[in-house]
Amino acid sequence: AQKVTQAQTEISVVEKEDVTLDCVYETRDTTYYLFWYKQPPSGELVFLIRRNSFDEQNEISGRYSWNFQKSTSSFNFTITASQVVDSAVYFCALSVYNAGNMLTFGGGTRLMVKP
Amino acid sequence: DSGVTQTPKHLITATGQRVTLRCSPRSGDLSVYWYQQSLDQGLQFLIQYYNGEERAKGNILERFSAQQFPDLHSELNLSSLELGDSALYFCASSSQGEGRMRNTEAFFGQGTRLTVV
Repeated sequence: AQKVTQAQTEISVVEKEDVTLDCVYETRDTTYYLFWYKQPPSGELVFLIRRNSFDEQNEISGRYSWNFQKSTSSFNFTITASQVVDSAVYFCALSVYNAGNMLTFGGGTRLMVKP
Repeated sequence: DSGVTQTPKHLITATGQRVTLRCSPRSGDLSVYWYQQSLDQGLQFLIQYYNGEERAKGNILERFSAQQFPDLHSELNLSSLELGDSALYFCASSSQGEGRMRNTEAFFGQGTRLTVV
């Protein structure tokens, strides 16, 4: 079975601070996929990124960056120079190659960015 | 806008009743998924359909059922409702990748907030 752990339930920062959201996953499958989703106060789930287990490079998209470390089974998400609009609940999720495309979600991290 | 449409957005009903939630996937997506988000269980996968056929089942109660129609829209039926069924129900859809890229990202609708009173 798969498991995703987001140990930080809530983080509060002041605008312009950098913040890292942690995600640790467990799976016995060698081919798997990791995702981050954002859930703003309005409630919808917004896809942010997918990382394949067989891709080594990390990714940067504007103020967002993701650090995939197979050795520690982690897929952390960093927001640089946070903004109030980044306030949301962020979910890390995992799917595996031989089990359909269903997602196992972590418990989420609520990020509050204060002006 | 993800392209996934769910109706209704809000639903209030009494215990013991039956409701139907509806989902239209993104254009071209053959896979539809249903997820339940509740305070105590978090986000949980319920069921997946691919081109009209059930593909995978998660923690879906026997009182719940779903189907995907030839036009690819899907419905989730919840019956004999209990207070504990109050939750946000999400539908998602995805395209079908190939080979090792088979698992693709799912795009979620805005959800249906179900309140059972």
